[in-house]
Amino acid sequence: ETGVTQTPRHLVMGMTNKKSLKCEQHLGHNAMYWYKQSAKKPLELMFVYSLEERVENNSVPSRFSPECPNSSHLFLHLHTLQPEDSALYLCASSQDGTSSYEQYFGPGTRLTVT
Amino acid sequence: AQRVTQPEKLLSVFKGAPVELKCNYSYSGSPELFWYVQYSRQRLQLLLRHISRESIKGFTADLNKGETSFHLKKPFAQEEDSAMYYCALSGPGGTSYGKLTFGQGTILTVHP
Repeated sequence: ETGVTQTPRHLVMGMTNKKSLKCEQHLGHNAMYWYKQSAKKPLELMFVYSLEERVENNSVPSRFSPECPNSSHLFLHLHTLQPEDSALYLCASSQDGTSSYEQYFGPGTRLTVT
Repeated sequence: AQRVTQPEKLLSVFKGAPVELKCNYSYSGSPELFWYVQYSRQRLQLLLRHISRESIKGFTADLNKGETSFHLKKPFAQEEDSAMYYCALSGPGGTSYGKLTFGQGTILTVHP
């Protein structure tokens, strides 16, 4: 598959579970992003990675833990989440981490915390 | 702090009518402004950016620094323009990491 892919597409988890979201980009980009899209809030940037180094952590609670093992893969590890964390989590990538480049988005993972 | 405001959550027009989606921003400096669009069952994608000064799918947007606005306009709306539109802001090009701040989005519906 080309572009940005995300797995799983849907996830239901309990508050005591540990799960991970995966993002993969096939565009040769060097920067990757996690966004959160809630029903009643604008799309919010969570993390930015540039050349596998985290360059932005937008005051995200520690129950969300990102990992970028290489420039093509990005993970979001989840543990002891709250019901208010239920949202659509979008991954994106861009050529590099500067603001000049278009960001390419994945289809998102719909997360429900019960 | 940077902020983007899209005052209209919903906007309905008829095919062939002009359409304007409003976007106002707050930023102390020279921002880069973008419009992203999400069509039904498709992923979010870039529509246009102010720095390019181009027309995409008949849409244009002019950055008005005096009014801190970046409204999206199209003179004759088409049914296929129905989608969710997001205005987004970032720091000056090449100087800040891609920290896009999004507005809440406007759902545009174009009726036949």
